[in-house]
Amino acid sequence: TQLLEQSPQFLSIQEGENLTVYCNSSSVFSSLQWYRQEPGEGPVLLVTVVTGGEVKKLKRLTFQFGDARKDSSLHITAAQPGDTGLYLCAGEGQGGKLIFGQGTELSVKP
Amino acid sequence: GAVVSQHPSWVICKSGTSVKIECRSLDFQATTMFWYRQFPKQSLMLMATSNEGSKATYEQGVEKDKFLINHASLTLSTLTVTSAHPEDSSFYICSAPRTGGQPQHFGDGTRLSIL
Repeated sequence: TQLLEQSPQFLSIQEGENLTVYCNSSSVFSSLQWYRQEPGEGPVLLVTVVTGGEVKKLKRLTFQFGDARKDSSLHITAAQPGDTGLYLCAGEGQGGKLIFGQGTELSVKP
Repeated sequence: GAVVSQHPSWVICKSGTSVKIECRSLDFQATTMFWYRQFPKQSLMLMATSNEGSKATYEQGVEKDKFLINHASLTLSTLTVTSAHPEDSSFYICSAPRTGGQPQHFGDGTRLSIL
């Protein structure tokens, strides 16, 4: 069974601080996606990483896929209150299913 | 704009009622759609894979007779929660991948509250 361990599950920081969210597995994934979800809404795709060692940047967000394609990280620089939300990593499993990590509830206080 | 539409967005009903939730792909055909359940502050849990023209595939522990799935066309899948009880209250989300796999597009979810 493919599992994704996401940490931390809760993170409360002050505006301007940096943070990193980790997503780890013992399984290899062909691709891994990061989503952000607001309360009462569906997840919104932030990025998809496909190649081992790949690094993608989206403004203040930096996403990295591990060389072995078993782990990934999301780094946010100078967090802002608008970054508050639930961040989810998801790996593509068999049959196109997405296997989600536990999620990281991020709160950025002004 | 949204590429997957989910309806209704919010339902409140009495215990014992059956509730139908629709998931539509708006500008593409989806032979496969996925249904998820999400509890507050938690991640998405895959319930079942909806397949156009064949039976849905349910994840372990999900009751097939409780959560009926019908993939009526290439753009519509429905999830019916039969004889709903308070423990079925949750946020239900569907997703559909475009042809070729990822990424999946998610609906905005349905908040189901059973009194």
